[in-house]
Amino acid sequence: DAKTTQPPSMDCAEGRAANLPCNHSTISGNEYVYWYRQIHSQGPQYIIHGLKNNETNEMASLIITEDRKSSTLILPHATLRDTAVYYCIAFYGGSQGNLIFGKGTKLSVKP
Amino acid sequence: DADVTQTPRNRITKTGKRIMLECSQTKGHDRMYWYRQDPGLGLRLIYYSFDVKDINKGEISDGYSVSRQAQAKFSLSLESAIPNQTALYFCATGWEDSGYTFGSGTRLTVV
Repeated sequence: DAKTTQPPSMDCAEGRAANLPCNHSTISGNEYVYWYRQIHSQGPQYIIHGLKNNETNEMASLIITEDRKSSTLILPHATLRDTAVYYCIAFYGGSQGNLIFGKGTKLSVKP
Repeated sequence: DADVTQTPRNRITKTGKRIMLECSQTKGHDRMYWYRQDPGLGLRLIYYSFDVKDINKGEISDGYSVSRQAQAKFSLSLESAIPNQTALYFCATGWEDSGYTFGSGTRLTVV
């Protein structure tokens, strides 16, 4: 599975959009980009995933560059409850794939 | 009821004792996982199972064993607990198309 690189921490003002970057320059053609978050010591929560096209759901939007070497998770209107560690993972399930978590980005949403 | 249930939620045990952490899921997925998280670090994979007869070692399996009793149940055992196994343990299930669902975790302390 491809290695991903994320900034260790970011701040965002409440109500503003939070844009979390992720680099995955060695991603292979069949690997998806997944985003999870972990609030305090709770179990990680699935947010969104995509392969090539941009994706949007009720939680967030995922923008993947055309060359697929990087992506951005967008929380359109961040709230204090979005304060968490956000993990970007490049992953292909297939018959042997497993989620490999890095250290993620600690997002702090401030009033 | 939660989709992934872990028991116990908290446990303190003595060095050398055998302990079992249990996980059950109602999602109907074949794949189940056990992860460990140490303070300030990401999750590390201990064992994973793609079905009842398929069990595989993960990144840090030494000192651990698992049992897949049924599609819905996946237990993690520490045969002889040691203090550096003090950590937060998470069970997960899922499929790459739908994302993975994690349990609430078991906080284990070995004294």
